[in-house]
Amino acid sequence: GAVVSQHPSRVICKSGTSVKIECRSLDFQATTMFWYRQFPKQSLMLMATSNEGSKATYEQGVEKDKFLINHASLTLSTLTVTSAHPEDSSFYICSASDRGGQPQHFGDGTRLSIL
Amino acid sequence: GQQLNQSPQSMFIQEGEDVSMNCTSSSIFNTWLWYKQDPGEGPVLLIALYKAGELTSNGRLTAQFGITRKDSFLNISASIPSDVGIYFCAGRQGGSEKLVFGKGTKLTVNP
Repeated sequence: GAVVSQHPSRVICKSGTSVKIECRSLDFQATTMFWYRQFPKQSLMLMATSNEGSKATYEQGVEKDKFLINHASLTLSTLTVTSAHPEDSSFYICSASDRGGQPQHFGDGTRLSIL
Repeated sequence: GQQLNQSPQSMFIQEGEDVSMNCTSSSIFNTWLWYKQDPGEGPVLLIALYKAGELTSNGRLTAQFGITRKDSFLNISASIPSDVGIYFCAGRQGGSEKLVFGKGTKLTVNP
């Protein structure tokens, strides 16, 4: 089945640091990947849709200059949290589907903690 | 953003019992998905439903796509301790690839 790998699994860093999270589709090509944010005991909230070779589409209320997305190849999308602050601390999860109309498969998430 | 109405919010059951949870919406969905999430991990796909009325099983799990296309349920039979986790329903509308999620059902199974 479709496997999505996310790295790193956990990041702890100081306020003001920029953090890059990688999302890879291991055994398939994904023209579209998705980035979610999940707060404790809450559901997944879609942040943006990452499109290979073009700009990401951000959901309302998500700052595109804060959360930079790059989808440079069919197997890799990156999310960079720029100048991170404690309020950016959260669980970030990516997903992808191996073709249109198929279910999204999720990475294992990245726990980001900003001190 | 839009969310699905998922219930119950939490369940505490004894090992061996059956479990049922559901999701409803005021809008029509053309795909229903059920995921399970363990602490600190990403959601794992359990069952995908594509047609109204469709009933699909995956081992002890059974899910149905409501005939009105506005609801879905997930049943777990003969629960075991490893069924513990948070179960999310998710739906997809029209030609969109985006998913709308329910708020989750937290399942606790007592041995």
